[in-house]
Amino acid sequence: EAQVTQNPRYLITVTGKKLTVTCSQNMNHEYMSWYRQDPGLGLRQIYYSMNVEVTDKGDVPEGYKVSRKEKRNFPLILESPSPNQTSLYFCASSGYGGIYGSPLHFGNGTRLTVT
Amino acid sequence: DQQVKQNSPSLSVQEGRISILNCDYTNSMFDYFLWYKKYPAEGPTFLISISSIKDKNEDGRFTVFLNKSAKHLSLHIVPSQPGDSAVYFCGSENNDMRFGAGTRLTVKP
Repeated sequence: EAQVTQNPRYLITVTGKKLTVTCSQNMNHEYMSWYRQDPGLGLRQIYYSMNVEVTDKGDVPEGYKVSRKEKRNFPLILESPSPNQTSLYFCASSGYGGIYGSPLHFGNGTRLTVT
Repeated sequence: DQQVKQNSPSLSVQEGRISILNCDYTNSMFDYFLWYKKYPAEGPTFLISISSIKDKNEDGRFTVFLNKSAKHLSLHIVPSQPGDSAVYFCGSENNDMRFGAGTRLTVKP
């Protein structure tokens, strides 16, 4: 089954404790991205990657890191989480490098709470 | 700077009637526009798209209209069904995606 898999689904942590949210896709997609969803703000892009070893900042990259060492994986790293990073996070992927209207396939989300 | 705006946070319609969800954008360079539907505890799923060279695209009960001069698009659902109750995100694409804040549609039986 074609899918984007994120782990974990729920995560509660404390300020400053490094964490990683994993994302993997099995569709051989070039394009992958991370979004956060906040009430009233919708989906805001954190980082995206057009292909292996190519990453770019989205609209809200501060406090986040990503890496794209393999085509299928695109982990999101919070080196020193803060309470304002409490949010619902989605990983997504698409073919054609995310252009030409190729739809994004989303994971089921990771709800992160930073206390 | 929000390049894609959905100004109605919520919409409630009666089953069988038309639902119209609106979206405005600011960047005239956007090439494609996509609508996604999101149910609770799930990721958004693709619903319908339209290229900037078209003004209408239809898929069953769903039709998207694009007015480039007004930088406005709308999603029409006819007839609306209770299973359509979800949050709808409008997205615009030019190398990467930008989304609006979403509109929560409630279809009452």
